Amino acid sequence: EIVLTQSPGTLSLSPGERASLSCRASQNINRNYLAWYQQKPGQAPRLLIYGASSRATGIPDRFSGSGSGTDFTLTISRLEPEDFAVYYCQQHSSSLWTFGQGTKVEIK
Amino acid sequence: QVQLQESGPGLVKPAETLSLTCTVSGGSMRNVYWNWIRQPPGRGLEWIGYVYHSGLTNYNPSLKSRVTISLDTSKNQFSLKLNSVTAADTAVYYCASHPGAPVALQHWGQGSLLTVSS
Repeated sequence: EIVLTQSPGTLSLSPGERASLSCRASQNINRNYLAWYQQKPGQAPRLLIYGASSRATGIPDRFSGSGSGTDFTLTISRLEPEDFAVYYCQQHSSSLWTFGQGTKVEIK
Repeated sequence: QVQLQESGPGLVKPAETLSLTCTVSGGSMRNVYWNWIRQPPGRGLEWIGYVYHSGLTNYNPSLKSRVTISLDTSKNQFSLKLNSVTAADTAVYYCASHPGAPVALQHWGQGSLLTVSS
């Protein structure tokens, strides 16, 4: 099983600031099959990034993904009020798909 | 635009079988992986498994002995059955589509809360 560890657990920032979220895998993620999702309270997750760095349809360009192998990062260049949420990484490289435990981005 | 909608009983007794259905609209069921994911209250996401349009399935080993995911393309639906449920299976259950790598879980239903209680 590929374990994904996200850090930090909580990120306290102000609107307009830059957010960097980390996702570290216990094994190499082949072909960069690593995705990021945003989840707001009471809502389903929304796909932001797939293939480690490709934005999903309709996702603003302030969201970007980077990394390869075992270390991946989601960056939000300038936080908008609607960006305060929980973010999950997920891998579908192995037959057992796994999620990280999530990073909460909260208003400082 | 593909839309997914879960439906289910809301409440299941311990030791019984949980059954949920996801209805797909706005797109074909071909060449897509149809997934179930769950989220216990206040916790993170757990992938349960998928069925491909061909009928191929892949399950989370931690649930494999209790799970069946099946497809009914004539009704544009796919289903989840989880037997011998306990309180630990209480969660919001999401259905989601995966059109194939490298794209991930692209479209999601709004979620269905299922509580296991006597």
